[in-house]
Amino acid sequence: QKEVEQNSGPLSVPEGAIASLNCTYSDRVSQSFFWYRQYSGKSPELIMSIYSNGDKEDGRFTAQLNKASQYVSLLIRDSQPSDSATYLCAVNPPNWDKIIFGKGTRLHILP
Amino acid sequence: SAVISQKPSRDICQRGTSLTIQCQVDSQVTMMFWYRQQPGQSLTLIATANQGSEATYESGFVIDKFPISRPNLTFSTLTVSNMSPEDSSIYLCSVEREQSTDTQYFGPGTRLTVL
Repeated sequence: QKEVEQNSGPLSVPEGAIASLNCTYSDRVSQSFFWYRQYSGKSPELIMSIYSNGDKEDGRFTAQLNKASQYVSLLIRDSQPSDSATYLCAVNPPNWDKIIFGKGTRLHILP
Repeated sequence: SAVISQKPSRDICQRGTSLTIQCQVDSQVTMMFWYRQQPGQSLTLIATANQGSEATYESGFVIDKFPISRPNLTFSTLTVSNMSPEDSSIYLCSVEREQSTDTQYFGPGTRLTVL
């Protein structure tokens, strides 16, 4: 059974601080990893994709991948109230034409 | 990314009826998918819509209940048949524009309520 695990939260972070969202996955040979943001009542929006070990930065967002530990994280610097949403981690196992989603972590940025 | 539209955006239906949801993309895409998201839950893949052939359904979903069409590379429909209140959910289509990246982009969703 291929699984993607996330803490459901809610994770409360003060405005301006760094929010750290974590995700683990079960299939050791997975190659593609994604973070989506979903506002209440809206559809998921792709924030970051990462394919190689290490960090990938895009503006205030940094995705971190550690394949040996089967762990992917998303850091949000200088958190804003507008970052309050559910963040979905997704993984594409090899030879699969689909991705597996975690249950999501609810993030609440405190003004 | 791709511009994806879904129709209808929401609907309220009676038990026992059927609803067809349309998904239109502004350019040709390799893969199209249909998901369901029940209240407070994550995404559940219903099926992969294959162009010119029968859809590939996930465990727990069957063609008689969720018939899918994909007549070309920019359009797909999902029908929710013989609806019951348990079918109340948000239905989302997603597309993968480049198979090599595995990246999926989502449409705005259809919010379905079955009475």
